[in-house]
Amino acid sequence: AQSVTQLGSHVSVSEGALVLLRCNYSSSVPPYLFWYVQYPNQGLQLLLKYTSAATLVKGINGFEAEFKKSETSFHLTKPSAHMSDAAEYFCAVTPNTGFQKLVFGTGTRLLVSP
Amino acid sequence: GAVVSQHPSRVICKSGTSVKIECRSLDFQATTMFWYRQFPKQSLMLMATSNEGSKATYEQGVEKDKFLINHASLTLSTLTVTSAHPEDSSFYICSAPLTSGRGDEQFFGPGTRLTVL
Repeated sequence: AQSVTQLGSHVSVSEGALVLLRCNYSSSVPPYLFWYVQYPNQGLQLLLKYTSAATLVKGINGFEAEFKKSETSFHLTKPSAHMSDAAEYFCAVTPNTGFQKLVFGTGTRLLVSP
Repeated sequence: GAVVSQHPSRVICKSGTSVKIECRSLDFQATTMFWYRQFPKQSLMLMATSNEGSKATYEQGVEKDKFLINHASLTLSTLTVTSAHPEDSSFYICSAPLTSGRGDEQFFGPGTRLTVL
């Protein structure tokens, strides 16, 4: 069984500040890990994914995440927040034994203030 | 890039009626599609896996007779909410996986907001 825990339902940062969104996973097999962003009343857009290649993954819009097996973590970071980054962010996991259904975390709403 | 569309984007219906939601992969074929529902301020919960040419696979606790899924072609899956009730009001999102040079990826539709009065 797999699961994902996102610590903090809301994260508030100032524009220009570091963004850190936390994700810890549980998986009995080597996982694929994903971060998605959702804007209001829209579907999900893939930010980045880890598929057992490089542990530091760079995504779109300046986001990156590092897979740390020892910590079972896949935290999302961005050096400098922009107002347009305000959205809901979901971490998700799937077993890497073939592409299967995604298990999502509960999401973290990022709030960016001027 | 791969695009998944959903129709309608919003629907309001009366209690007891049925509503059909379409999910289309516009520029690729998908033998499998996934249906999720998302309650306000909550995460996405997988409802079922839609399989072209065979029956859908439902997650535990999802009523297959209430949420009818038909994968009519390699580019179309439909979700019909039968005898809808206010508690069925939710945001329904579909996705389709695609394997490309970048590996496996799921592409999500923009979602359908269902409101049952």
